Amino acid sequence: KQEVTQIPAALSVPEGENLVLNCSFTDSAIYNLQWFRQDPGKGLTSLLLIQSSQREQTSGRLNASLDKSSGRSTLYIAASQPGDSATYLCAVSKRSSNTGKLIFGQGTTLQVKP
Amino acid sequence: KAGVTQTPRYLIKTRGQQVTLSCSPISGHRSVSWYQQTPGQGLQFLFEYFSETQRNKGNFPGRFSGRQFSNSRSEMNVSTLELGDSALYLCASSWTSGSMAGELFFGEGSRLTVL
Repeated sequence: KQEVTQIPAALSVPEGENLVLNCSFTDSAIYNLQWFRQDPGKGLTSLLLIQSSQREQTSGRLNASLDKSSGRSTLYIAASQPGDSATYLCAVSKRSSNTGKLIFGQGTTLQVKP
Repeated sequence: KAGVTQTPRYLIKTRGQQVTLSCSPISGHRSVSWYQQTPGQGLQFLFEYFSETQRNKGNFPGRFSGRQFSNSRSEMNVSTLELGDSALYLCASSWTSGSMAGELFFGEGSRLTVL
């Protein structure tokens, strides 16, 4: 059974700091991994999607890496800003043609202080 | 291009009642998935629909049901509501089903409170 873990559960940093969020998964037979952002009381906003054949994806100040063999992904946020404060979730999809079901981690709640 | 639209955004029900939530996917997307989010359990998969067919179902009791219409819009229904059904119900759409679905796009959710 696939399990996804995110560490730390919460993180507080001063503005301008570079930071790394971690995601680990127990079954390496994934099709892709997706990072989301969730603001309080809101839905999920897709940040980055990494296919299992890829090593990393970049979007602006965000960079996500994937090491499938070790079951790990990291989300790197450069030059953090107060607007980055949110909960960040990673999710993996199983390598199966039958479903696009995502398994989510519990998330890391980030606070960036001005 | 409009995103995923969920209605209603907020609703309050009492135990024993039933509720229907609606989801309109992004135009052109044919797959809709539903997830339940609670503080204790996090995000859990409910069901996935593609071309009006249920492709996969999560580990939820039969009180939870759904359907998809020919225009790809989807509804989920929860009957005989329990206090534990209080949650944020999120709908996600993608252009196709299965692992080829790629990126999922989520709506703002329907916040259900059961009293």
